[in-house]
Amino acid sequence: DIQMTQSPSSLSASVGDRVTITCRTSQSISTYLNWYQHKPGKAPKLLIYGASSLQSGVPSRFSGSGSGTDFTLTISSLQPEDFATYYCQQSYTTPRFGGGTKVEIK
Amino acid sequence: EVQLLESGGDLVQPGGSLRLSCAASGFTFSTYGMSWVRQAPGKGLEWVSGIRGSGGSGDRTFYADSVKGRFTVSRDHSKTTLFLQMNSLRAEDTAIYYCTKDVASTLTAIDYWGQGTLVTVSS
Repeated sequence: DIQMTQSPSSLSASVGDRVTITCRTSQSISTYLNWYQHKPGKAPKLLIYGASSLQSGVPSRFSGSGSGTDFTLTISSLQPEDFATYYCQQSYTTPRFGGGTKVEIK
Repeated sequence: EVQLLESGGDLVQPGGSLRLSCAASGFTFSTYGMSWVRQAPGKGLEWVSGIRGSGGSGDRTFYADSVKGRFTVSRDHSKTTLFLQMNSLRAEDTAIYYCTKDVASTLTAIDYWGQGTLVTVSS
């Protein structure tokens, strides 16, 4: 099984900050890595697929990078509506989510 | 408009069974991969089970280790409905279960989610 390590598990940031979340897999998954945003009481939202492709309708301040075992989600300038929990997910083999990163207001 | 409407969540005793349904509309159901994802209270998202669409080794099924041998995913193409048969339920299966649609016939990425149905396993 491919293990997912997402870090940090939580972070505090201010509006306008640049935020970086990392996801590491236990074996190479090429670019089969997706990122989701999840707010309480709402359905999760696909942000990035294939490691770096922006899902339609997602603001350009969100970007993804990486391949192999190391991946990054970057929010270039944090907005009030971005406070949420973020998950990575690999789809190279049987899908699995990372543990999540909760982004809180500083 | 894509719609995914789950039903079947309930309170069930440990060792019991439950069948979840997901009525899908607004897209060509047979074409796309579909999955069940759950979230236990206070925990993160957990992918549970999935089934490929036509063109992606159609109807091939996949399971997380935590449910393998206990859960069965299936789909009725004529009724555009996804199912999850859950047997030998445990307390740790307590969660909100989401029906999800994939962007492709394989299990690649999830672009639509239902609102979820609550399963509680308790005596």
